[in-house]
Amino acid sequence: GQNIDQPTEMTATEGAIVQINCTYQTSGFNGLFWYQQHAGEAPTFLSYNVLDGLEEKGRFSSFLSRSKGYSYLLLKELQMKDSASYLCAVLDSNYQLIWGAGTKLIIKP
Amino acid sequence: EAQVTQNPRYLITVTGKKLTVTCSQNMNHEYMSWYRQDPGLGLRQIYYSMNVEVTDKGDVPEGYKVSRKEKRNFPLILESPSPNQTSLYFCASSLREAYNEQFFGPGTRLTVL
Repeated sequence: GQNIDQPTEMTATEGAIVQINCTYQTSGFNGLFWYQQHAGEAPTFLSYNVLDGLEEKGRFSSFLSRSKGYSYLLLKELQMKDSASYLCAVLDSNYQLIWGAGTKLIIKP
Repeated sequence: EAQVTQNPRYLITVTGKKLTVTCSQNMNHEYMSWYRQDPGLGLRQIYYSMNVEVTDKGDVPEGYKVSRKEKRNFPLILESPSPNQTSLYFCASSLREAYNEQFFGPGTRLTVL
């Protein structure tokens, strides 16, 4: 079966750095997405990786290793507004998105 | 403003009473999709549409119907709702295929008693 694993919850301190991991086993791979979802709101797009390596976008970076079935989202200089759930999703060989359950990130002052 | 809209945002209904949740996008997107989100589970796709008059089942299509008569609209129909369809529903659209960034509607919280 297809599976996406993410930690259920993480806690970090304002101003610090946090890394949210995502591992996947899917039938084929056509890219990996990260979305941010604040409580009670819709998911919003953060990043899309299809090649190995690190992609940086401001305070957020996303890394992909296809051989290891692994990605992480790195958030730097954490702000209180970063408190949200972070969703990892993989596009499989049929171009269907497989979603992880999400990681709830709690930022403490 | 480019957006995806859904209506209603909140709905409480009873078992067996047919309902429709509307979804509309103003970005001329070809791809549209419906998801449900339940605690502890990831987003699960119900149905998707690659273009007008083209719809396909997602992971959890049972108990749902959709139609795509116009590019901008993609309504979700529950012919005979049951309590296990109580969930948070999101409509999403993207320019073309699913590998494009998806834009999500604000969500519809449905309770079936």
